[in-house]
Amino acid sequence: QSALTQPASVSGSPGQSITISCTGTSSDVGAYNHVSWYQQHPGKAPKLIIFDLSNRPSGVSNRFSASKSGNTASLTISGLQAEDEADYYCNSYTTSSTLVFGGGTKLTVL
Amino acid sequence: QVQLQESGPGLVKPSETLSLTCSVSGGSMYSYYWNWIRQPAGRGLEWIGRIDTSGSTNYSPSLKSRVTMSMDTSKKQFSLNLNSMTAADTAVYYCARDISGRYYGWFDPWGQGILVTVSS
Repeated sequence: QSALTQPASVSGSPGQSITISCTGTSSDVGAYNHVSWYQQHPGKAPKLIIFDLSNRPSGVSNRFSASKSGNTASLTISGLQAEDEADYYCNSYTTSSTLVFGGGTKLTVL
Repeated sequence: QVQLQESGPGLVKPSETLSLTCSVSGGSMYSYYWNWIRQPAGRGLEWIGRIDTSGSTNYSPSLKSRVTMSMDTSKKQFSLNLNSMTAADTAVYYCARDISGRYYGWFDPWGQGILVTVSS
C-alpha cells in the first residue's frame, strides 16, 4: 500500500484559514470514514486532533475541522495561530484492515 | 491517565533483530488495540502493525515478512521484533494505543518514542 498524498508544505498568516488535503484511493480514504489527523511539533510525539473523519477529541480546539470528498480528505485550520505551526499527518483505515499514513505536511505560520 | 513507554536498544547492527517493548501504565490494556509506528528522521510516519490482548496481530504489508509482535498482559507490555535490520530501518519507533474500540487508527496516547539506529 502506498502512503496517502499530502502537500509537502502549506503556509498562512495569523488569523487566516488553511486547508491540507490528503488523497488516497477507493481502498482507503474513499472506502470508509475512518480517517484521522495528527499534529506533530518538532521533537514531540504526534497528537490526535481529528478522528473518524470529522470528530475532535476533548480538548482540541474547534478551529480544527475536517471533511472528505471521494478519495480526498481535508483538514482545515481556521484563525491560524503561531502555535499551529507543526507537521500534520492524515491516516486512513484500509480495505485490507491495515492503516496507512500520509506523507505529512509542514504548516508554516507566517 | 494512560502512559506508554518504549524501551530497548538504541543501536542495532545490520542484519540483526530489533526488539522493543512498550510498557503501559495508568489503565487497562483490555478492549484496545496496541500499535507500533515509526518515523525516520525528517520523514513521515509509517504504521508497522497492531496487536490485541488476545495476541491477534495485523502487520503492514511492506514489513510483514520481518515483523513479529507479542503481548504480555500480566506485565502490561507488548513487544516488537523486526529482523534483518538495515540502515533503512533507522527511525524513531513509537508505540500507541488505538482508542477506536476497533482498529481504525485513532492513536492516543503515544509513547515518547525511542530512536533506533542501525549501524555496525
